[in-house]
Amino acid sequence: DIQLTQSPSFLSASVGDRVTITCRASQGIASYLAWYQQKPGKAPKLLIYAASTLQSGVPSRFSGSGSGTEFTLTISSLQPEDFATYYCQQLNSYPRTFGQGTKVEIK
Amino acid sequence: EVQVVESGGDLVQPGGSLRLSCAASGFSISSSWMNWVRQAPGKGLEWVANINQDGSEKYYVDSVKGRFTISRDNAKNSLYLQMNSLRAEDTAVYYCASRFWFDPWGQGTLVTVSS
Repeated sequence: DIQLTQSPSFLSASVGDRVTITCRASQGIASYLAWYQQKPGKAPKLLIYAASTLQSGVPSRFSGSGSGTEFTLTISSLQPEDFATYYCQQLNSYPRTFGQGTKVEIK
Repeated sequence: EVQVVESGGDLVQPGGSLRLSCAASGFSISSSWMNWVRQAPGKGLEWVANINQDGSEKYYVDSVKGRFTISRDNAKNSLYLQMNSLRAEDTAVYYCASRFWFDPWGQGTLVTVSS
């Protein structure tokens, strides 16, 4: 199974900060990576797919990059509605696996 | 509006069975891979199973193989998850997620396995 390791697991930041979350895969997954945002009590929401493609309707302050084994999700200017937990997921092979999550909280 | 809605979650005893349903609207699932994902209380996301467009390919996470069966009815625009031999560790919110890139997701349905 492909393991995804997110760092950090917890992040404290202020509104307006630039935030970067890293996702490392235990083996190469090309660009078969997605990023999701989940708020408490809600379903996850797709933000980025194919490593760097912004899902329709997602604000442009979100961006993704990387290929192979190292990927990043960047929020260029953190907004109050961005405080949530973020997950990466690989869709290169089975079983599909998720990272452990990164919780972004208000500083 | 494109959406999916899950149903069927309940409290069930260990060893029991449950069938979850996912009804899609605003799009046809017939052209899409469909997925089930679960989230145990306070934990992260775990992919459970998926099925291809015509139901000829099905994949499962090891922990549910032989106990869970994913199926679909394209005519009813619906996805299902038959869960047998349920265990306490199957307790979770179960989400239906559409298409290869898991969008959209439903609101989830809670399955609690407890005596």
